[in-house]
Amino acid sequence: QVQLQESGPGLVKPSETLSLTCTVSGGSISSYYWNWIRQPPGKGLEWIGYIYSSGFTNYNPSLKSRVTISVDTSKNQFSLNLSSVTAADTAVYYCARGRKYYSSGYYYNVDFDYWGQGTLVTVSS
Amino acid sequence: QSALTQPASVSGSPGQSITISCTGTSSDVGSYNRVSWYQQYSGKAPKLMIFEVTKRPSGVSNRFSGSKSGNTASLTISGLQAEDEADYYCCSYAGDDSLLFGGGTKVTVL
Repeated sequence: QVQLQESGPGLVKPSETLSLTCTVSGGSISSYYWNWIRQPPGKGLEWIGYIYSSGFTNYNPSLKSRVTISVDTSKNQFSLNLSSVTAADTAVYYCARGRKYYSSGYYYNVDFDYWGQGTLVTVSS
Repeated sequence: QSALTQPASVSGSPGQSITISCTGTSSDVGSYNRVSWYQQYSGKAPKLMIFEVTKRPSGVSNRFSGSKSGNTASLTISGLQAEDEADYYCCSYAGDDSLLFGGGTKVTVL
């Protein structure tokens, strides 16, 4: 059974960089998409971006200028960096595995079958 | 990209059927059969309930079903049970390798 666990600081100061790591256990990080998704308190879900195990990334256009996702296959981990944070970035951050959807010769990241429990990150001075 | 549109709340009595709509555009829901639905209990992580519009992951009750017509996808819960009370989110592929979620729907079992 694949399990994901987020880790990182629960409090980040405005204008600083939010950094989180997701550790994958019970399966290999290879050959899958790995996503970050967030949920502000009392609000809906927002897809942040993904990394494929090869290192290929893609980000939500609304966050693209501030987001970096990286992977360490030797540790079965992937990470999120979100720079220049403000109070609007306060949220529960989830990591999730993306299923591989095949169409017309390509694979796509289109939904999420395993999720971490989520970690609350508060942006405040 | 704007979030997909879902009703804020839907309610029903035990045993009834309810349907949650998820309205997008011809650039997302209308163009791709890549719509998924998630169930989220308060304080918990979302759980995949439906993928590729109509498919159920192993272990998900067959009381949950999905469909799509034009730019609107739907999740139907039949034989409503108390344990179905949760928030539900739709998600669609939106082209250019991006994904959009709906705003979420709170399901209340009366």
